[in-house]
Amino acid sequence: KAGVTQTPRYLIKTRGQQVTLSCSPISGHRSVSWYQQTPGQGLQFLFEYFSETQRNKGNFPGRFSGRQFSNSRSEMNVSTLELGDSALYLCASSFSYNSPLHFGNGTRLTVT
Amino acid sequence: KNEVEQSPQNLTAQEGEFITINCSYSVGISALHWLQQHPGGGIVSLFMLSSGKKKHGRLIATINIQEKHSSLHITASHPRDSAVYICAVRAYGGSQGNLIFGKGTKLSVKP
Repeated sequence: KAGVTQTPRYLIKTRGQQVTLSCSPISGHRSVSWYQQTPGQGLQFLFEYFSETQRNKGNFPGRFSGRQFSNSRSEMNVSTLELGDSALYLCASSFSYNSPLHFGNGTRLTVT
Repeated sequence: KNEVEQSPQNLTAQEGEFITINCSYSVGISALHWLQQHPGGGIVSLFMLSSGKKKHGRLIATINIQEKHSSLHITASHPRDSAVYICAVRAYGGSQGNLIFGKGTKLSVKP
């Protein structure tokens, strides 16, 4: 069974631009969640989707948004990038809401 | 004060030693996760617990809901266990459903 796939693996953007990251979950998994990891703050929860509905949202500004498609693939978007958005962005999929998480390898975003 | 506290922050052990990593939390939870992150970023889910104890190979995880505390034990530690171990809780209440992470415990096992 293929694991969780995140694309792209690396991304360099300029302040003010926007970026879209993609996450393909394990086949059959309906829940996808997104996380930001930085050296200073560690891992922080961004949002979680289940069957195309946002179920939970972390404490991030509205510049961070996401969506989930009918095939469970998910995208997250960050608009008006700031230097502080430089981070490793991870997604995880799970079969249902309170099931074990399966993480992708992440997208490393650098904002210059 | 962080809602999820891990101790110790750093841990160095000799191969073969028994290791314990602790996680305390201050919110109501529906589940607790133990995660392992190797250098390079990949995260692996080790356990998901809502009560009691789970064992997988040399790893054992326990949780005490009344005391809001969980432990991860590694028996007969090996250099390949060197990684960051992260505790995460799925919260009830104001952050209902959100995952809250500890800062992680960096484990180094020397041969």
